[in-house]
Amino acid sequence: GDSVTQMEGPVTLSEEAFLTINCTYTATGYPSLFWYVQYPGEGLQLLLKATKADDKGSNKGFEATYRKETTSFHLEKGSVQVSDSAVYFCALSDRGGADGLTFGKGTHLIIQP
Amino acid sequence: GAVVSQHPSWVICKSGTSVKIECRSLDFQATTMFWYRQFPKQSLMLMATSNEGSKATYEQGVEKDKFLINHASLTLSTLTVTSAHPEDSSFYICSARYSGSPNEQFFGPGTRLTVL
Repeated sequence: GDSVTQMEGPVTLSEEAFLTINCTYTATGYPSLFWYVQYPGEGLQLLLKATKADDKGSNKGFEATYRKETTSFHLEKGSVQVSDSAVYFCALSDRGGADGLTFGKGTHLIIQP
Repeated sequence: GAVVSQHPSWVICKSGTSVKIECRSLDFQATTMFWYRQFPKQSLMLMATSNEGSKATYEQGVEKDKFLINHASLTLSTLTVTSAHPEDSSFYICSARYSGSPNEQFFGPGTRLTVL
């Protein structure tokens, strides 16, 4: 079946540091890929998505590129802020999000001033 | 927009009792709602998918008689954990999508269930 593997945290960085959170996937077809973010006390929010190979999703300074050859969808940000502290989930869907999502375990990101 | 609420946010119950969790889409009509379960330090696991007016579709390994799902209207789905046991203690999260945004799910804040 489908699966998502992402680096486990917590990941602790200083403000303005470069961020990479790795995510790789296994899927039978050509899934859509997502990054969700969960701030303390809130529900998951869609951060960005990509629906086909070589697509780049971007939002709030975060980027991720759908790499079919390496089955990866790594999340990056050039300069993190304290407000980026949250839990980040990589996920996939075989039908573009119409079906339930398959999630990674989540990565807790802590940004220190 | 696209806000999903859950009630209660946390609940503690005795073993053998039943607990109902509500999931509401506050500002849109949800054509489909999903229920997930999250164990500590684990990923969210899809339990079931429900479409308004239809029976829920359960994922493999999820007991449909234990986790009763009702999607009676376009803004409300309920998950009832019947005869709860300590191993049912978990974080339950719902999500919803609507026809205008078929590729995005909107998540509720989750419900923490503790069974004593």
